[in-house]
Amino acid sequence: DTAVSQTPKYLVTQMGNDKSIKCEQNLGHDTMYWYKQDSKKFLKIMFSYNNKELIINETVPNRFSPKSPDKAHLNLHINSLELGDSAVYFCASSQSGTGRTGELFFGEGSRLTVL
Amino acid sequence: AQTVTQSQPEMSVQEAETVTLSCTYDTSESNYYLFWYKQPPSRQMILVIRQEAYKQQNATENRFSVNFQKAAKSFSLKISDSQLGDTAMYFCAFMNPLSFGNEKLTFGTGTRLTIIP
Repeated sequence: DTAVSQTPKYLVTQMGNDKSIKCEQNLGHDTMYWYKQDSKKFLKIMFSYNNKELIINETVPNRFSPKSPDKAHLNLHINSLELGDSAVYFCASSQSGTGRTGELFFGEGSRLTVL
Repeated sequence: AQTVTQSQPEMSVQEAETVTLSCTYDTSESNYYLFWYKQPPSRQMILVIRQEAYKQQNATENRFSVNFQKAAKSFSLKISDSQLGDTAMYFCAFMNPLSFGNEKLTFGTGTRLTIIP
């Protein structure tokens, strides 16, 4: 039973389009994240939500808009896609207030290719 | 801002041998957390080991252990009796203590480790 699942796993689209990536976790965690991994494998946090509230919002273009309808879901919508948005986007979750600080559970990633 | 540096982009080692991956970091904080995450070819990242900066004892998890040198800001990962399943990208990561309760990790650039049969 997948703990953190993302859909779609692969996404190929044209510049200028709008696309969404969905994430769901069944671990009962209260915090969810989006990380971006570029072509050089560098991972950088984009957003985090705690109990549906936006906590971390790194310097990400306004074209990226996260939405958390409930604490088990965190979706990422991207408007007006650009070539530089091509990357693997990872969703992750964690539970605050435990003894396992920093233990994130990651999804398998969604590879976005913008042509 | 904290930075994490992994100076070995790629490494390879024979199966059953021991390998050490290097990581250095920069911070002005005295209390923080350090991690090693593993990303196998299937892409899903998993936590390998974590170290709390205020603990002097090095963390161990089965075949995985760390050498934490706080003064030198060094955090290396040792894999003993390496196995084919250890082939993966390994990321060193740092967590700012101000983000307790909301884990913002700063990752290094990764080391691609290949275990040779």
